[in-house]
Amino acid sequence: DTGVSQDPRHKITKRGQNVTFRCDPISEHNRLYWYRQTLGQGPEFLTYFQNEAQLEKSRLLSDRFSAERPKGSFSTLEIQRTEQGDSAMYLCASSLGSVQGGSYEQYFGPGTRLTVT
Amino acid sequence: DQQVKQNSPSLSVQEGRISILNCDYTNSMFDYFLWYKKYPAEGPTFLISISSIKDKNEDGRFTVFLNKSAKHLSLHIVPSQPGDSAVYFCAAPRGDQFYFGTGTSLTVIP
Repeated sequence: DTGVSQDPRHKITKRGQNVTFRCDPISEHNRLYWYRQTLGQGPEFLTYFQNEAQLEKSRLLSDRFSAERPKGSFSTLEIQRTEQGDSAMYLCASSLGSVQGGSYEQYFGPGTRLTVT
Repeated sequence: DQQVKQNSPSLSVQEGRISILNCDYTNSMFDYFLWYKKYPAEGPTFLISISSIKDKNEDGRFTVFLNKSAKHLSLHIVPSQPGDSAVYFCAAPRGDQFYFGTGTSLTVIP
């Protein structure tokens, strides 16, 4: 399977704990996106990487959230001191683009469902 | 600030008939639009797109229409099949950010 993978698929944690999610994009894709989706809503943009550089962050991404993409391959999203409002589906997507602009078509992973109790 | 809106949360259509899913946007700077389909427990998958220089794009049973003056786009599926039952999202990129609608859940009744 050469699609986007995410791990874990489900995570239940207690409020105040830290969690980390991993995303493995399609290998030749240089762009990687993180989204959050809550019930009844569409995916909401969180942040975006071009190779290893984090180029854009949403205002939704509070100081408790941090994302990395070392070496421009897989990415991690960490949430510190989780709150019940963080409960959501966290989606990762990748695309093949260039600095001059590229395909807008994103390939999504299956998501990580986070439940904060 | 919901820049891309899908005002119909759900739609039911008989198999073989046409499904029409609607999407409105507020940002006149959007120049590209995409439709994604999402099955339960899976991530969204790309379906079809349209550039603002066009008013129609067709791919098999799927056609997207764009009305720039009304800031409105629609996805037509004809004929509808039970396998089309899913949640459909419209989306628009602006810079490196993508803005998604809230989705319309389509049920195709056999």
